[in-house]
Amino acid sequence: DGGITQSPKYLFRKEGQNVTLSCEQNLNHDAMYWYRQDPGQGLRLIYYSQIVNDFQKGDIAEGYSVSREKKESFPLTVTSAQKNPTAFYLCASSSGDSLLTNEKLFFGSGTQLSVL
Amino acid sequence: GESVGLHLPTLSVQEGDNSIINCAYSNSASDYFIWYKQESGKGPQFIIDIRSNMDKRQGQRVTVLLNKTVKHLSLQIAATQPGDSAVYFCAENIGPGGSYIPTFGRGTSLIVHP
Repeated sequence: DGGITQSPKYLFRKEGQNVTLSCEQNLNHDAMYWYRQDPGQGLRLIYYSQIVNDFQKGDIAEGYSVSREKKESFPLTVTSAQKNPTAFYLCASSSGDSLLTNEKLFFGSGTQLSVL
Repeated sequence: GESVGLHLPTLSVQEGDNSIINCAYSNSASDYFIWYKQESGKGPQFIIDIRSNMDKRQGQRVTVLLNKTVKHLSLQIAATQPGDSAVYFCAENIGPGGSYIPTFGRGTSLIVHP
């Protein structure tokens, strides 16, 4: 089945620890995105990548890092610099043929990150 | 009933009623809009989209209306069912900085009572 897979479903972080959230897609999409969702809030963009080996900061990139070494994968690392990491993290992709393409997003099922 | 704005309001309806969810978008340059449905603990799923050269688009039991003059979108769900209970987000295709990055509102929680 084609889709976008996030893992793990639940993740716990200890103080001072870096944790990495996985996002894999087999849709052959060029663009991938990471969003953060807090209870009762909308989706806020952390990082996005339009093409392999390139990525851009979103609205709330501080305390996070990403890589895009492969088209299929866009892992997100929540670093110890992120002081309030508890949230629901959503990865998405779109075909994004060009910067002007209007494309809907396909979302993964999310990772709930909590602090111990 | 109606729900206005982007402050995660809650809309409660009876099964079988029609639902109207409203959204005010931010950027007058946006020319593509999408409604997503998010069930608890899951990622958002695409419902329907509309481009700015249209003011109405219909899907199966859903209709999206676009009023560019006042930067307003609405999602109408006909004969609402318990399975429609979820949070609904509108998204526009241009962000505050003018980049083509999908930008989401805060959502509306729809509760359908059997």
